[in-house]
Amino acid sequence: KQEVTQIPAALSVPEGENLVLNCSFTDSAIYNLQWFRQDPGKGLTSLLLIQSSQREQTSGRLNASLDKSSGRSTLYIAASQPGDSATYLCAVRRMNRDDKIIFGKGTRLHILP
Amino acid sequence: DAGVIQSPRHEVTEMGQEVTLRCKPISGHDYLFWYRQTMMRGLELLIYFNNNVPIDDSGMPEDRFSAKMPNASFSTLKIQPSEPRDSAVYFCASSPIGYTEAFFGQGTRLTVV
Repeated sequence: KQEVTQIPAALSVPEGENLVLNCSFTDSAIYNLQWFRQDPGKGLTSLLLIQSSQREQTSGRLNASLDKSSGRSTLYIAASQPGDSATYLCAVRRMNRDDKIIFGKGTRLHILP
Repeated sequence: DAGVIQSPRHEVTEMGQEVTLRCKPISGHDYLFWYRQTMMRGLELLIYFNNNVPIDDSGMPEDRFSAKMPNASFSTLKIQPSEPRDSAVYFCASSPIGYTEAFFGQGTRLTVV
């Protein structure tokens, strides 16, 4: 059974700092891993998608890495801003047995002005 | 494309009433997913469809929940009878094929009183 874990559950950092969010998964048989952002009371916004054959993806100040063999992904946010405050979710898409998308419980990020 | 469209955005109903949530996926997408989000359990996959066929409904909590996809452009999630513990945000998502990203709707916030 695929389990996705995100640690820490919550994080507060001062504005301007670089930070890393962690995601781990138990089954390496995945198509891809996707990072989402969710603002309070809102839907999910896709940030980055990493295919299983890729090692990383970048978009602006965001960089996501994937180490499939160890079951880990990180989301690096450079020069954090108060507008980055949100919940960040990672999700893996299973392969072999089904195409389910399994989510972690997220990391609630607060950037202190 | 307007993205994944869910309706209604908010629903307040009394315990015992039937509730129907609706989803219009992105045109051309083969997969449709229904999720439920609560503070305690995070995002849980309820059911997903491939080419309008239900593939896995093992996440549907009880027989009170049912989902249909009569055609490629429409899906419903029905709860009958509803209970207060069904209160949550319900998300619909769609994706083209197994190894591409998923796109989420804005969700339906259901409150059962």
